[in-house]
Amino acid sequence: QSVLTQPPSASGTPGQRVTISCSGSSSNIGSNYVYWYQQLPGTAPKLLIYRNNQRPSGVPDRFSGSKSGTSASLAISGLRSEDEADYYCAAWDDSLSAGVFGGGTKLTVL
Amino acid sequence: QITLKESGPTLVKPTQTLTLTCTFSGFSLSTSGVGVGWIRQPPGKALEWLALIYWDDDKRYSPSLKSRLTITKDTSKNQVVLTMTNMDPVDTATYYCAHVLGGGVEFDYWGQGTLVTVSS
Repeated sequence: QSVLTQPPSASGTPGQRVTISCSGSSSNIGSNYVYWYQQLPGTAPKLLIYRNNQRPSGVPDRFSGSKSGTSASLAISGLRSEDEADYYCAAWDDSLSAGVFGGGTKLTVL
Repeated sequence: QITLKESGPTLVKPTQTLTLTCTFSGFSLSTSGVGVGWIRQPPGKALEWLALIYWDDDKRYSPSLKSRLTITKDTSKNQVVLTMTNMDPVDTATYYCAHVLGGGVEFDYWGQGTLVTVSS
């Protein structure tokens, strides 16, 4: 049972826009930045979005992040086959004084 | 450029202590704001945040594993060591170390990970 809640799966067709949600509480998302990671099959996770909505160098602007209250979302526009991966949200939790991850969302490109 | 690599045993027996070493390059763990964290992922399951050590030796642990974990750094060797006591088969996972800049979950560079299997 993860502290941050994500849907286990999401899907879309090439070119579509998909969103993945991440729900938390006042001690994590509600008071700290949200981060998103992309994990392609068999590889280490990669930082996709940091500090709610910032993209590291090299991440396409098709990926965007947002946060409102105790929830956050990752949006992927112009979906491509190479976006098929697992996506994780993460945040610092002030009550736990530790980091927490979501349970992950497996994105399938149909 | 920043690189990290995990090393340690691939197989440990139940009740044994696991010692993993993260050897890194491209940054110094004596630089203000810098940290190294450990994250694990059981096969087919989600990521789990384990522990973090900062440049000033500030250490943070997952509350659920705190009694079993110890994280230390050797700045001169560019290494961070994680020990986990009383290993159990449920601890079978790929263990990653990662560079932290700023927030405790801001992992901008990751190692390739090392699979540790706990079995008798």
